[in-house]
Amino acid sequence: DAGITQSPRHKVTETGTPVTLRCHQTENHRYMYWYRQDPGHGLRLIHYSYGVKDTDKGEVSDGYSVSRSKTEDFLLTLESATSSQTSVYFCAISEGTGKRETQYFGPGTRLLVL
Amino acid sequence: RKEVEQDPGPFNVPEGATVAFNCTYSNSASQSFFWYRQDCRKEPKLLMSVYSSGNEDGRFTAQLNRASQYISLLIRDSKLSDSATYLCVVNEGSNYQLIWGAGTKLIIKP
Repeated sequence: DAGITQSPRHKVTETGTPVTLRCHQTENHRYMYWYRQDPGHGLRLIHYSYGVKDTDKGEVSDGYSVSRSKTEDFLLTLESATSSQTSVYFCAISEGTGKRETQYFGPGTRLLVL
Repeated sequence: RKEVEQDPGPFNVPEGATVAFNCTYSNSASQSFFWYRQDCRKEPKLLMSVYSSGNEDGRFTAQLNRASQYISLLIRDSKLSDSATYLCVVNEGSNYQLIWGAGTKLIIKP
């Protein structure tokens, strides 16, 4: 158990509304990640953070923003949700560095945008 | 685009059988490799890490073939509880550069 929680676990929202997902970790990990998972695709990186207030874009960052004001919390915001953002969102932390990096995941948030 | 490819399956296998599936990767500079297991509607969980030629953990064996750029996962004496999707992951050598395959679904039948 990597001590990662995500909230909410399920959300239904309407197109055009802002949505914020929260990832919380209890073990002071430096690196945190947001992924989305869709059928037929591998996990795709949205944004990642390498410290408080230090974030960068991943492969599929358009339409998403993140913030990390505390080590333990990493927030993902959909500025104006679209149906294409219906997905399962996973937060992860990593242990180790370089080729020894291993990632551990939270339980996920299922988001449906109508 | 750097890719990791997996046969999506499903692989339908009788309990007690041996099953193997492969994962191919495109970046020859990849440094380490992982197999994750993902149960339905759950998060991925680390199954095995592979840093050199291979790794073995009980009934599970992972083999790396750098010349042909693939990683295999072998499961011996399969159990009903092995039913899951198996994700192949390639680390290209630094943080935040994990490339994920889409997964292979395995169904173990009684």
